[in-house]
Amino acid sequence: NAGVIQTPRHKVTGKGQEATLWCEPISGHSAVFWYRQTIVQGLEFLTYFRNQAPIDDSGMPKERFSAQMPNQSHSTLKIQSTQPQDSAVYLCASSRLGVGQDTQYFGPGTRLLVL
Amino acid sequence: AQKVTQTQTSISVMEKTTVTMDCVYETQDSSYFLFWYKQTASGEIVFLIRQDSYKKENATVGHYSLNFQKPKSSIGLIITATQIEDSAVYFCAMREGGTGGYKVVFGSGTRLLVSP
Repeated sequence: NAGVIQTPRHKVTGKGQEATLWCEPISGHSAVFWYRQTIVQGLEFLTYFRNQAPIDDSGMPKERFSAQMPNQSHSTLKIQSTQPQDSAVYLCASSRLGVGQDTQYFGPGTRLLVL
Repeated sequence: AQKVTQTQTSISVMEKTTVTMDCVYETQDSSYFLFWYKQTASGEIVFLIRQDSYKKENATVGHYSLNFQKPKSSIGLIITATQIEDSAVYFCAMREGGTGGYKVVFGSGTRLLVSP
């Protein structure tokens, strides 16, 4: 079975440009999560979807960041007007729902570099 | 609010020995779920083992086992017969079972170096 797929694996943008990151969850998984990893902040929760509905975006920066899940097979994280401090590895994870089934499995991440 | 703390920044061990990594957590919920993940040098994050708070028996998977001490809010990861390829960063994580939904909070990680 394919794991979580993230594209692109690497992205370089100029300051002020837009970046869109894609995630394809494991087939049959009903929850999709987005995290950001930096040396300073570690692994930070951003947002998650359950059955395509946004449930918790408490970790999302209030400006410039948005996430969507238009169908069960993919989710996107969009960063508008990227800034150098947005440089990080963005990780997507997916899981089933329910006690004992909710282990999250991670994709390989997208390394974003904002120049 | 839920919180996960890993105080060991790095650990070095010799191959074939046993290592324990510490993790303490904070939660107000009576039901919660604890996870350990490993991040390899390539950046891949791999799920290793989990402990559900209502289970009294310590989880074991392969050469990974957990030392769950509920009164101390502690969930240590034990790796027996370590191998070179166990060198990685290990993350402890927690999900609260109540109003926290499926959000998972991670610790800062412990870097393990296994030497021959």
